[in-house]
Amino acid sequence: RKEVEQDPGPFNVPEGATVAFNCTYSNSASQSFFWYRQDCRKEPKLLMSVYSSGNEDGRFTAQLNRASQYISLLIRDSKLSDSATYLCVVNKNSGNTPLVFGKGTRLSVIA
Amino acid sequence: GAGVSQSPRYKVAKRGQDVALRCDPISGHVSLFWYQQALGQGPEFLTYFQNEAQLDKSGLPSDRFFAERPEGSVSTLKIQRTQQEDSAVYLCASSEGTLFEQYFGPGTRLTVT
Repeated sequence: RKEVEQDPGPFNVPEGATVAFNCTYSNSASQSFFWYRQDCRKEPKLLMSVYSSGNEDGRFTAQLNRASQYISLLIRDSKLSDSATYLCVVNKNSGNTPLVFGKGTRLSVIA
Repeated sequence: GAGVSQSPRYKVAKRGQDVALRCDPISGHVSLFWYQQALGQGPEFLTYFQNEAQLDKSGLPSDRFFAERPEGSVSTLKIQRTQQEDSAVYLCASSEGTLFEQYFGPGTRLTVT
């Protein structure tokens, strides 16, 4: 099983739609979780950290289920500018360990 | 302030050549990471430094890959005797520590012909 698995998509959704991405990770000792966004031919940028209690930032909501080793990202009221690849990221193990990136889920928001 | 910078942005190398890729992290960031990103894939971890110490190099694909950060600031990733499968974007990231947000540079796109 890969360390971080995501549905590669693409997800093609109309403007204003709600879209959800899922991600599973294999190492139960992982403690840090993030969603990064990567635009075409650009570097990844942090979208949001994911906390155990779940967290929201505007139209974006992230959830973590440690028992199922599952992370989700919900985007409400999609905008054209949300079109990008969304990378699920966890740290390799507990403590100060490097990050492991999923392959990413591609989202296209269509007018 | 200035972000992470990388040079060159593009590099074409003939198979068998050696290449050196440079990363200038954000000033004061103690952690520096190198990743390799192939087309359609997420970034794959190569190695990381805490100041000048290389704490993990488990992701380096072969002994042709070597990284250094001698003064705890600028880092160089060197690839010896490049092969076609080395063609990828090499990303550098820095952070205040391994559990903090990583800031990525624009990457170096390496093409081995």
